Amino acid sequence: DQQVKQNSPSLSVQEGRISILNCDYTNSMFDYFLWYKKYPAEGPTFLISISSIKDKNEDGRFTVFLNKSAKHLSLHIVPSQPGDSAVYFCAAVTSGTYKYIFGTGTRLKVLA
Amino acid sequence: SQTIHQWPATLVQPVGSPLSLECTVEGTSNPNLYWYRQAAGRGLQLLFYSVGIGQISSEVPQNLSASRPQDRQFILSSKKLLLSDSGFYLCAWSRGGSYNEQFFGPGTRLTVL
Repeated sequence: DQQVKQNSPSLSVQEGRISILNCDYTNSMFDYFLWYKKYPAEGPTFLISISSIKDKNEDGRFTVFLNKSAKHLSLHIVPSQPGDSAVYFCAAVTSGTYKYIFGTGTRLKVLA
Repeated sequence: SQTIHQWPATLVQPVGSPLSLECTVEGTSNPNLYWYRQAAGRGLQLLFYSVGIGQISSEVPQNLSASRPQDRQFILSSKKLLLSDSGFYLCAWSRGGSYNEQFFGPGTRLTVL
């Protein structure tokens, strides 16, 4: 049972344009959501997070949107840069459980 | 600042051989610790997590086991490796409490032949 899904395995975007990565979840008990960026043969690095009491969180070029009714979150990167090319994972957790559940990832390629 | 170490970086083992991967965290105390596996072309699968010394929660029944002999040390083991154990193993830590991100180590690439 895949509780966190990233249905787009890959995405290509022109440099300077917006990248939108999507993530869906099924467990309504999740109340904290995170995005990670991963380069090959390295561990993921934390990008941005959002708790369920918010619907938007911004950090520089990165914005995460949460739609609780649709059980959907998205990561917007504006403007996209070639260095953003990596695999992006969304993750979700129910506070107090410490069980972070990850999606399968979306490979973003930013074209110069 | 906090750092997390994993070793070895790469490992090639024959089927049926034992396994021991080690993870240590520096610069924090009482961390929550995690082991994940990323199989080829797949997401991150949570294998084990620990909220304290000697406390291990297993998420996937398999031939792997984990131990936490010290506060900041987490070990992943197997008595007999299977071909399906091949993958990229990641250790991570987080602070206790709610709404905390995880910090990942550099990973170990395990190939079972």
